Amino acid sequence: DQQVKQNSPSLSVQEGRISILNCDYTNSMFDYFLWYKKYPAEGPTFLISISSIKDKNEDGRFTVFLNKSAKHLSLHIVPSQPGDSAVYFCAASDSGGGADGLTFGKGTHLIIQP
Amino acid sequence: EAQVTQNPRYLITVTGKKLTVTCSQNMNHEYMSWYRQDPGLGLRQIYYSMNVEVTDKGDVPEGYKVSRKEKRNFPLILESPSPNQTSLYFCASRTGTGSFTEAFFGQGTRLTVV
Repeated sequence: DQQVKQNSPSLSVQEGRISILNCDYTNSMFDYFLWYKKYPAEGPTFLISISSIKDKNEDGRFTVFLNKSAKHLSLHIVPSQPGDSAVYFCAASDSGGGADGLTFGKGTHLIIQP
Repeated sequence: EAQVTQNPRYLITVTGKKLTVTCSQNMNHEYMSWYRQDPGLGLRQIYYSMNVEVTDKGDVPEGYKVSRKEKRNFPLILESPSPNQTSLYFCASRTGTGSFTEAFFGQGTRLTVV
């Protein structure tokens, strides 16, 4: 059963507009959430994270929102730039679970149109 | 420069021929993991290690082995590769101190088993 879901395989956004990427999770033990960005032929790189004690975290053009009651998080990119075109993975962790590792979603391919 | 280094980047092999993919990190991280990325499935954890001589299975460990004899190295071993292990493999590491921290990924190893 998929514990982290990214239901949009791809998303196309015009340059300068807002990109909103969504992620849902089912495991209520998850308490730390991360977004990774991946370009072709490269490894994923960390973008932004949020702890379950917060509902928002901002870093420059990137903001992550967490709605624990809905088990939903979203990544907002404002304004979107051509270099933002990549695959974005949502990931979650149960930091008290005793095991290591992140549970990833399947990814959303973001395409920024000029 | 802080990095996770995997070798080789590309590998084509035949069914049943043992192979090892190496992973090394220079950040003195305690935690190391192996993931595989497959189309439509995202990133799935194969094995992880919390420290030297401490390893454990992830979500998809069948057909793989790992070892952690030194803190910096975490090789992935395929004793008898099969075509269903054709995939893109990523090694990751993170520090184990404090609350959950983001993982750093290597560049990836694209493995084809024929």
